[in-house]
Amino acid sequence: EAQVTQNPRYLITVTGKKLTVTCSQNMNHEYMSWYRQDPGLGLRQIYYSMNVEVTDKGDVPEGYKVSRKEKRNFPLILESPSPNQTSLYFCASSFFDRGPNEQYFGPGTRLTVT
Amino acid sequence: GQNIDQPTEMTATEGAIVQINCTYQTSGFNGLFWYQQHAGEAPTFLSYNVLDGLEEKGRFSSFLSRSKGYSYLLLKELQMKDSASYLCAVRSNDYKLSFGAGTTVTVRA
Repeated sequence: EAQVTQNPRYLITVTGKKLTVTCSQNMNHEYMSWYRQDPGLGLRQIYYSMNVEVTDKGDVPEGYKVSRKEKRNFPLILESPSPNQTSLYFCASSFFDRGPNEQYFGPGTRLTVT
Repeated sequence: GQNIDQPTEMTATEGAIVQINCTYQTSGFNGLFWYQQHAGEAPTFLSYNVLDGLEEKGRFSSFLSRSKGYSYLLLKELQMKDSASYLCAVRSNDYKLSFGAGTTVTVRA
């Protein structure tokens, strides 16, 4: 089944404790992206990647890191989480340069930082 | 990023038609998307416009005017399952994707 998977789905952590949220897709998509979703603000892009070893900042990259060492994986790293990073996070992927290239979203990761 | 505006909430009756407007400002336009998101779930793709005009897909249609920075999503023959949030998103030439805050549509019996 074609899908985007994220782990963990739920995470409660404390300020300053490094964490990684994994994202993997099995559709051979070149483009991958991370978003956070907050009430009243909608989805905001954190980082995106157009292919292996190519990453770019979205609108809200501060406090986050990403890497794209393999085509299928795009982990999101919070080196020192803070309470303002409490949010719902979505990973998404799509083809690149093939028509609409609509994004397929993972199920989401709900992160709480205390 | 882009400036994307859409209404916060809309309510309509089952069987009716609802039109959700989206206005945007962007430095380099490379397509407009509409996504549907049910509460607690991931967004799913509804439609894509890159040229001016109307794209029809069953009960859903989407319109784009690039010169006016304007799009709308038209939902016809509303069903209870259409109660959801509808997200307008604009892709720029550098392949960034920016979303509006979403329009929550409530369908009443």
